[in-house]
Amino acid sequence: DAKTTQPTSMDCAEGRAANLPCNHSTISGNEYVYWYRQIHSQGPQYIIHGLKNNETNEMASLIITEDRKSSTLILPHATLRDTAVYYCIVISGNKLVFGAGTILRVKS
Amino acid sequence: DGGITQSPKYLFRKEGQNVTLSCEQNLNHDAMYWYRQDPGQGLRLIYYSQIVNDFQKGDIAEGYSVSREKKESFPLTVTSAQKNPTAFYLCASSYGGGADPYEQYFGPGTRLTVT
Repeated sequence: DAKTTQPTSMDCAEGRAANLPCNHSTISGNEYVYWYRQIHSQGPQYIIHGLKNNETNEMASLIITEDRKSSTLILPHATLRDTAVYYCIVISGNKLVFGAGTILRVKS
Repeated sequence: DGGITQSPKYLFRKEGQNVTLSCEQNLNHDAMYWYRQDPGQGLRLIYYSQIVNDFQKGDIAEGYSVSREKKESFPLTVTSAQKNPTAFYLCASSYGGGADPYEQYFGPGTRLTVT
């Protein structure tokens, strides 16, 4: 089962792109990468997921390296409401396993 | 609006009492989940149910019980056997069948304090 490594915290200026990295060097070929975020005292919110190709939706973009050992979640124009804990998850034992995540602080 | 409802938002109980947390969804999802979150930590899976009248233990099921008598409802009972019940409890749901079970929709959570 793959594990993920994320920085503990990051800061981003409002209006700029937020780039959140995640290492998953032991990921298997058929394991997807999922991203969720959790705003303080709320339930987590699904953002995006991918296998090997880059993915984009209305919330974010997901860039996965060719060797699939790392990925980056990109919030193109961060706002104060994007301040949250961001979780990078590789499915383990057929379930979501949430680690500590990255605290993203968007500052004005 | 479709979504997941958890009530109440805050719950206080005395040690030794059982308490039931409510979770209702109107998303027509087949699968439902209960997670527990402790301060500064990620979520841990307590129980999950993929279909009515069936459920499975997650990673930390001891001291908890669930039922799934209706598709829309998945209540969680925290029993007196749970040694550290004070936590933030989150309910989630997802489409069943062949749909992606890992794209889950979460409720707002119930913060339980036992003293």
